[in-house]
Amino acid sequence: EAGVTQFPSHSVIEKGQTVTLRCDPISGHDNLYWYRRVMGKEIKFLLHFVKESKQDESGMPNNRFLAERTGGTYSTLKVQPAELEDSGVYFCASSPRDFNTGELFFGEGSRLTVL
Amino acid sequence: LAKTTQPISMDSYEGQEVNITCSHNNIATNDYITWYQQFPSQGPRFIIQGYKTKVTNEVASLFIPADRKSSTLSLPRVSLSDTAVYYCLVGWMDSSYKLIFGSGTRLLVRP
Repeated sequence: EAGVTQFPSHSVIEKGQTVTLRCDPISGHDNLYWYRRVMGKEIKFLLHFVKESKQDESGMPNNRFLAERTGGTYSTLKVQPAELEDSGVYFCASSPRDFNTGELFFGEGSRLTVL
Repeated sequence: LAKTTQPISMDSYEGQEVNITCSHNNIATNDYITWYQQFPSQGPRFIIQGYKTKVTNEVASLFIPADRKSSTLSLPRVSLSDTAVYYCLVGWMDSSYKLIFGSGTRLLVRP
């Protein structure tokens, strides 16, 4: 069974440009999460989808970030326009609908570098 | 959500048992304790979760005292491949489970 996959693994863009990160969760997982680690800081929660609905987006830093999960399958996280402080690693995770084990399955992350 | 405190780093040797203790003085009644492992350039990987007493699985044991203000992750007979960052997280189990990662403990296993 495939794990959580993220694309691209690394993206280098200039300040002001737009980047879209994609996450494909494990098939059948209703819950999808985005986290990020910016330089030298801790991994922080961004938002949580249950199927296509945003359950919790309290961690989204500002309105330059837009997450979608159309159809309740894969998700995209768009940063527009990107700023220098957006550089970091963006992790996606998923879990089954009956989330009773506390286990989130993480992807390998998408590293974003904003120059 | 409860804040956790754990050692920044630990050193060990292959074949030894490693115990990493995490302090979570403000843990709430509904909070569970979860440990994740992270290798460089990878996402965190779930190790174990518990609520109280002792939990054991194929890779680790988790010891939680009665007051639940701390927990200890025990890794038996570590190998070089156990070199990683270990995170202790505390949070409640519901449909909006948010993981609060701290700084983690960087474990270095030497030959």
